[in-house]
This record gives sequence, structure tokens and C-alpha cells, in this order.
Amino acid sequence: KNQVEQSPQSLIILEGKNCTLQCNYTVSPFSNLRWYKQDTGRGPVSLTIMTFSENTKSNGRYTATLDADTKQSSLHITASQLSDSASYICVVNPRGGYNKLIFGAGTRLAVHP
Amino acid sequence: GAVVSQHPSWVICKSGTSVKIECRSLDFQATTMFWYRQFPKQSLMLMATSNEGSKATYEQGVEKDKFLINHASLTLSTLTVTSAHPEDSSFYICSARAWDRTPSYEQYFGPGTRLTVT
Repeated sequence: KNQVEQSPQSLIILEGKNCTLQCNYTVSPFSNLRWYKQDTGRGPVSLTIMTFSENTKSNGRYTATLDADTKQSSLHITASQLSDSASYICVVNPRGGYNKLIFGAGTRLAVHP
Repeated sequence: GAVVSQHPSWVICKSGTSVKIECRSLDFQATTMFWYRQFPKQSLMLMATSNEGSKATYEQGVEKDKFLINHASLTLSTLTVTSAHPEDSSFYICSARAWDRTPSYEQYFGPGTRLTVT
């Protein structure tokens, strides 16, 4: 049973456009929710970390939101660039599981010129 | 930010041989390091957690005798894939926690090692 579901599985957008990626989770209770960017053949790089009490966090053109009531998170990318082409992974850290991360399958984003 | 390196970045080995992958924290001390495996178009799967100076804790289904993990210092952990087989071909990624950084529960990932067993 997948506890972190991401949608869409893949997405193609044109350079300069905005997009929003979705993450639904069933992990409860949880300590924090993270979004990572993973370029092909590279390790994940942290974009945002939100605790259960936060509902938004920004990092440059990336803005993550969290609704703990509906157990949903989203990652909004503004003014996309070609370098944004990557997989974006939603990760939930269960409360009390300091070392345990539950990964979503990721959304593969392709930004075309 | 905290930097984690892996060596080698890619390796090709013959079936039956062993290969060692190093994971280093370059600018912080990592009391806890993690090893993940990622198959194509899939997400990361935790293989084991290692604490400096103690035995690694393996996830269910991961053979501890096949995937030997050593965390001998606060900046180095190694993963040795013994008697590798083609099905062990994968992308291996390590991460580390930096207890002296905020937040302390953040994991910093290495760039990964692509293992191909022929």
C-alpha cells in the first residue's frame, strides 16, 4: 500500500509556464513533509521542508503548500526553466520515525523550449 | 549546505565479483548514514541505516550478507555489494544526517553511484 501518492506521473510544459504538482498522503501522524528535485542520474536535492504545523514554504520559484486536514501537498513552480526538467519527489517523515522517510514515486517534469 | 559525495559515480563489474561504494560527508559529521537503491523510473528504497561505530540496521528483504555496510568514522560509510549479480544493477544513493545543523532531521543525499553488473 503506497502511503504517498503523486500526480501527475509525468508532465510536459513550455518554458516560462507555471505548473503545480500534487501529493496525497495517508501517513499519520507525521513530523514533516518534504519536496525534493532529482535530476536524471543524480541524488535528490531538497527544495522545501514543512512541519505538520506549516502550510506554505517557498524556495525561489518553488512554493510548497500543505493541508494537513485533507492530507494534501502541492509544489508550484513559477516561470519554469529548462533546468527545471527533473523528477520531483514528495517525501513524508512519520512522527517518531526520525530516520524513516516514505517516498512518493515522483512526478517527471519536462520543460520544453 | 551540507555536501555528501559518493565514489565511484559509476562502476561496471563482472558477475560474481564484489564492489565497494564510498559515501563521505565533506563538511559535517554524520552520525547516521543511509543507503538507498533506486531502480529505473522508481523511487528510492531504503536498504539500511548505519550509525557510526555500530552495526547497520537493514530493511526487511535486504540481505545483510550481500550488502555489507561499514560506518567506521563520522564522515565515511561504505557499501560493499558482494558476489554481485545482474539483478543488483541499480542506482545506489547514500544520505547523511547532520546533527549539528538545522533541522537536525534533514537528510543530505549524495549524487549516487550507478552499478552495472555484466
